[in-house]
Amino acid sequence: DIQLTQSPSFLSASIGDRVTITCRASQGISSYLAWYQQKPGTAPKLLIYGASTLQSGVPSRFSGSGSGTEFTLTISSLQPEDFATYYCQHFNSFPLTFGGGTKVEIK
Amino acid sequence: EVLLVESGGGLVQPGGSLRLSCAASQFTFSNYAMTWVRQAPGKGLEWVATISSSGSSTYYADSVKGRFSISRDNSKNTLYLQMNSLRADDTALYYCAKGRLTNPPYTRYFDNWGQGTLVTVSS
Repeated sequence: DIQLTQSPSFLSASIGDRVTITCRASQGISSYLAWYQQKPGTAPKLLIYGASTLQSGVPSRFSGSGSGTEFTLTISSLQPEDFATYYCQHFNSFPLTFGGGTKVEIK
Repeated sequence: EVLLVESGGGLVQPGGSLRLSCAASQFTFSNYAMTWVRQAPGKGLEWVATISSSGSSTYYADSVKGRFSISRDNSKNTLYLQMNSLRADDTALYYCAKGRLTNPPYTRYFDNWGQGTLVTVSS
């Protein structure tokens, strides 16, 4: 099974900061990676798929990069509505797995 | 707008059974693979099971294999999860989710999610 390790698990940042979250896969998954945002009490929302393609309607301050085993999600300028938990998920093969999550909080 | 509405959650004793449903609308349900994902209280997301668009193929997490069964009724636009031999660690909010595209592997990430239904396994 493919394990996904996200880091950090928690980060504290200010409005306007550039934020980077890393997701490492235990084996190569090409670009078969998605990123989700989840706010408390709500379902996850798809942000990025194929490692770097922005889902329709997602602000351009979000970007994704990487392939193989190392991936990053970047928020170029953190906005108040971006405080949430972020998850990566591989879709290379079954079983699907999610990373452990990164909670982004206000400094 | 795609709508996914889960139901069927509740309190059940260890060893008991429960069937979850997910009613889908505003898209051609029979074209898309569907998935159940769960989230234990205060924890992360865990993939549970996926079913192909026709229902002919199913996939399960090891943690539920042999106890849970995913199915669908394309005539009713409804997804199901039959859960047997429930354990305390099955306590979670269960989401149904729609694959973004119709062709694998692009069926295996999710552009629409329901609001979830809570399953609590406790005596």
